[in-house]
Amino acid sequence: AQSVSQHNHHVILSEAASLELGCNYSYGGTVNLFWYVQYPGQHLQLLLKYFSGDPLVKGIKGFEAEFIKSKFSFNLRKPSVQWSDTAEYFCAVASGGSYIPTFGRGTSLIVHP
Amino acid sequence: DGGITQSPKYLFRKEGQNVTLSCEQNLNHDAMYWYRQDPGQGLRLIYYSQIVNDFQKGDIAEGYSVSREKKESFPLTVTSAQKNPTAFYLCASSTAKNIQYFGAGTRLSVL
Repeated sequence: AQSVSQHNHHVILSEAASLELGCNYSYGGTVNLFWYVQYPGQHLQLLLKYFSGDPLVKGIKGFEAEFIKSKFSFNLRKPSVQWSDTAEYFCAVASGGSYIPTFGRGTSLIVHP
Repeated sequence: DGGITQSPKYLFRKEGQNVTLSCEQNLNHDAMYWYRQDPGQGLRLIYYSQIVNDFQKGDIAEGYSVSREKKESFPLTVTSAQKNPTAFYLCASSTAKNIQYFGAGTRLSVL
């Protein structure tokens, strides 16, 4: 069974700091990759996704993620965080042929103004 | 206004009682899912359904049951066999490309 690891469980940053959240997965074949975000009091929603093509994908609110196949990684980045980025972030991976994603444990991000 | 509607928002269960969480979607998605979210454990899959009248167990199905009689509806019953039901339950539906859309969740507590 595939697994998804998010290395940072809690991250605290000041506004304007750069962000990188790690995500690694175990499946060796074709994968669909996702980052979801859960803002306080809101629905879990898609932040960005990778299916194929350019391994650097851009999502909403200035977030981007890079798929590095050789490292089985899909790290999330943002050059300058804002207080409104305070949320929980989940990495998810669906292996080729399966539409059922496996979620990581999540990273709680707190951004101080 | 398209989306996933979960009800109730809060639910309390007494010992030995079965409770049912509602999930309705008007996105015309074939696939629907139930997840359990516990602090520090991410989302764990309870049950999923690819099509009406068919559903499959996920990673933590014990103590839960579901039905899928209509495309729009995928209710989850937490049975008395589930010994640790206190959690946040999320329902989702997805497109063919695996993109999932989530409801607002139901928080279940035990009295």
